[in-house]
Amino acid sequence: NAGVTQTPKFQVLKTGQSMTLQCAQDMNHEYMSWYRQDPGMGLRLIHYSVGAGITDQGEVPNGYNVSRSTTEDFPLRLLSAAPSQTSVYFCASSSIQLPGVWRSSGYTFGSGTRLTVV
Amino acid sequence: GNSVTQMEGPVTLSEEAFLTINCTYTATGYPSLFWYVQYPGEGLQLLLKATKADDKGSNKGFEATYRKETTSFHLEKGSVQVSDSAVYFCALSETANYGGATNKLIFGTGTLLAVQP
Repeated sequence: NAGVTQTPKFQVLKTGQSMTLQCAQDMNHEYMSWYRQDPGMGLRLIHYSVGAGITDQGEVPNGYNVSRSTTEDFPLRLLSAAPSQTSVYFCASSSIQLPGVWRSSGYTFGSGTRLTVV
Repeated sequence: GNSVTQMEGPVTLSEEAFLTINCTYTATGYPSLFWYVQYPGEGLQLLLKATKADDKGSNKGFEATYRKETTSFHLEKGSVQVSDSAVYFCALSETANYGGATNKLIFGTGTLLAVQP
């Protein structure tokens, strides 16, 4: 089925370890983004990309890196995991918004990665 | 800046009760408005959307009307079921400086709905 695929679904890390959360989409969407979801805080944007080779920071980028070498993939790297990064991470994608067009199509979300840092 | 404010939860209802989840927004331009639903252990799914003033989005018995005069997009359902128990997120599309929407969505904090049999 077409959509956004995230792996792994669950992960436990020790403080200081690094890891990569994978995200892949097969809808040829130019725009991809990473959010974290924490209780009482809703969704907060970590990083986003408007196309291969182009990435930018969101609201809470510290401690995370991203790259976009292909249209399909947008991995999120935790450089040195901290307990404050315990969260549920969601990847989302959409077609690129054309300049001057007000109608927005919204996102397709992956099913999430639940990360615990101990 | 742009923002979305949702009513705090949890909202607890009995089956077949009427549901309203309030959502108000602050935004420049003419944002598109969305409701997403998150069932336990799953990602967010688009429930409905409206892209201009007075539009009504609807899906699975849920409805929401884009009210520009009150900057609101309240979610309603006439008769809830246990299977509607989930977290509901209101969201809007940010506006570009040159006009039009951007790809960035701003989300509310979510409202947990618990429906009891």
